[in-house]
Amino acid sequence: DADVTQTPRNRITKTGKRIMLECSQTKGHDRMYWYRQDPGLGLQLIYYSFDVKDINKGEISDGYSVSRQAQAKFSLSLESAIPNQTALYFCATSDPRTPSTQYFGPGTRLTVL
Amino acid sequence: GQNIDQPTEMTATEGAIVQINCTYQTSGFNGLFWYQQHAGEAPTFLSYNVLDGLEEKGRFSSFLSRSKGYSYLLLKELQMKDSASYLCAVRGGDNTDKLIFGTGTRLQVFP
Repeated sequence: DADVTQTPRNRITKTGKRIMLECSQTKGHDRMYWYRQDPGLGLQLIYYSFDVKDINKGEISDGYSVSRQAQAKFSLSLESAIPNQTALYFCATSDPRTPSTQYFGPGTRLTVL
Repeated sequence: GQNIDQPTEMTATEGAIVQINCTYQTSGFNGLFWYQQHAGEAPTFLSYNVLDGLEEKGRFSSFLSRSKGYSYLLLKELQMKDSASYLCAVRGGDNTDKLIFGTGTRLQVFP
């Protein structure tokens, strides 16, 4: 089984809809991250969390919100989706006790029409 | 500001050696990472450098010069499956694991 899973893997939605992307991990890591990736651009950090009570904004948090329901779960919400939020979204985890590499989920391809 | 530069695209021949360069300017430095990403898939960790010098891992090696703000990823004995994007990422000097990513270098390996 994959250590970091994301649901759904693909989603098509309409402008103005609220949607939630979910991330679960079995690695036991405290730190979790949400990124988006657009063609020709690098990964951009949306939000990150270091434990259940900790939420921090990344570079591009406007239009997004997150919830860390448990150590293993980190959800990303788009309150009112817009077409320029069409992108590939990745969840990642890390453990500061290792060389702190991040482990990525398989990604969610989101299309906003 | 934070800036990471790497070439957009490179091509190489199967069996050859290719070097992908990365230069960075960041507020603080606590390690440089290289990731491989096949189209539509998740990035996967390749290497990590925090001290100057060369780290070798099989066909892949990564070099770091902190004084020059420079790193390279060296891929030897190229195989077709090495066709992918290679992402350079820097961890800043704060006490987090936040990574700043470059835009990636798309490598195409031809027979």
